[in-house]
Amino acid sequence: GQNIDQPTEMTATEGAIVQINCTYQTSGFNGLFWYQQHAGEAPTFLSYNVLDGLEEKGRFSSFLSRSKGYSYLLLKELQMKDSASYLCAVRDSNYQLIWGAGTKLIIKP
Amino acid sequence: ETGVTQTPRHLVMGMTNKKSLKCEQHLGHNAMYWYKQSAKKPLELMFVYSLEERVENNSVPSRFSPECPNSSHLFLHLHTLQPEDSALYLCASSQGQDNYEQYFGPGTRLTVT
Repeated sequence: GQNIDQPTEMTATEGAIVQINCTYQTSGFNGLFWYQQHAGEAPTFLSYNVLDGLEEKGRFSSFLSRSKGYSYLLLKELQMKDSASYLCAVRDSNYQLIWGAGTKLIIKP
Repeated sequence: ETGVTQTPRHLVMGMTNKKSLKCEQHLGHNAMYWYKQSAKKPLELMFVYSLEERVENNSVPSRFSPECPNSSHLFLHLHTLQPEDSALYLCASSQGQDNYEQYFGPGTRLTVT
């Protein structure tokens, strides 16, 4: 079966750095997405990786290793507003999106 | 309005009621999706419409009935729901059905009593 694994919850301190991991087992691979979802709000697109390596976008970076079935989202200089759930999703060989259950990130002052 | 809108934002209904959820996208996209989001579970894709034609139905119970009258509007008709259907129902749209970047609406929080 197809599976996306990510930690259920993480806690970090304001101003620090946090890395949220995502591992996947899917039938084929056509890209990996990260979305942010604040409580009670819509998920919003953060990043897309289809080739190995690091994609940097401001305070957020996303890394992909296709051979390891692994990605991470790196958040730097954490702010209180970064408290949210972070969803990992993989597009499989049929271009279907397989979603992880999300990682709830709690930022403490 | 911009983006993807959904109404109502909250809905409480009995198991014998009939209600409809509405989604509208103002992005010029040609694919629209219904998802179910339950606590601590992955997003569950329910229906996909591309160019107003249904292209996927992931074995969703018949008590959920979608309707896509045009590329900007999507409905989810609900009848004789069960308490386990209580969840957040999210609508999304994208340009093309190959699931590139999807834009989500704020969702409808549904409670079935």
